[in-house]
Amino acid sequence: ETGVTQTPRHLVMGMTNKKSLKCEQHLGHNAMYWYKQSAKKPLELMFVYNFKEQTENNSVPSRFSPECPNSSHLFLHLHTLQPEDSALYLCASSQAAGGTDTQYFGPGTRLTVL
Amino acid sequence: AQKVTQAQTEISVVEKEDVTLDCVYETRDTTYYLFWYKQPPSGELVFLIRRNSFDEQNEISGRYSWNFQKSTSSFNFTITASQVVDSAVYFCALSSARQDKYTSGTYKYIFGTGTRLKVLA
Repeated sequence: ETGVTQTPRHLVMGMTNKKSLKCEQHLGHNAMYWYKQSAKKPLELMFVYNFKEQTENNSVPSRFSPECPNSSHLFLHLHTLQPEDSALYLCASSQAAGGTDTQYFGPGTRLTVL
Repeated sequence: AQKVTQAQTEISVVEKEDVTLDCVYETRDTTYYLFWYKQPPSGELVFLIRRNSFDEQNEISGRYSWNFQKSTSSFNFTITASQVVDSAVYFCALSSARQDKYTSGTYKYIFGTGTRLKVLA
């Protein structure tokens, strides 16, 4: 495996379901990110983790709960989502979150909330 | 405030034409980085280039070239002799350092809204 991988690639869930998105990076990076990409909107940064610690929560609703057990893995736990949460969720990693290191992205999870 | 503007929402060209994607940025920081990413239909953002604010030299990589001009706060991207495989959404991004306990700088990563490029055969 190379780069940044994300599973599942597609997810359909009801508003009462609980699901998790998984991201894994094989680049030896120390920082990981979750972004939300909705139609006709800029990429929205959701969370930043640096050396397993959350360094940014960009006013994300509590129905999104991130988890970073180590520098290579990042999860996004989802519960009681709304239809407007349907979007492409992208994971990225970089050498560190401080400074201006290039971010490398995974293929994304296309989430549909019914 | 930092901002990235990609005024071209969608561009269509015929194969082999040259095309330029515009990116205009705003920042008060003197040290910053600019990026271009390509997002094909598969969804993954593919990194194309990173340029720091102190390096205004233009860069060429195969059919791709970038024109960085601080005087106009622009970082434009040109594809020469476009091909159908170039069809994608292209994002420009701006980053400057951010203060956290691991670094002495400050950081913020801002993306433009993207330009959808369609290359027709």
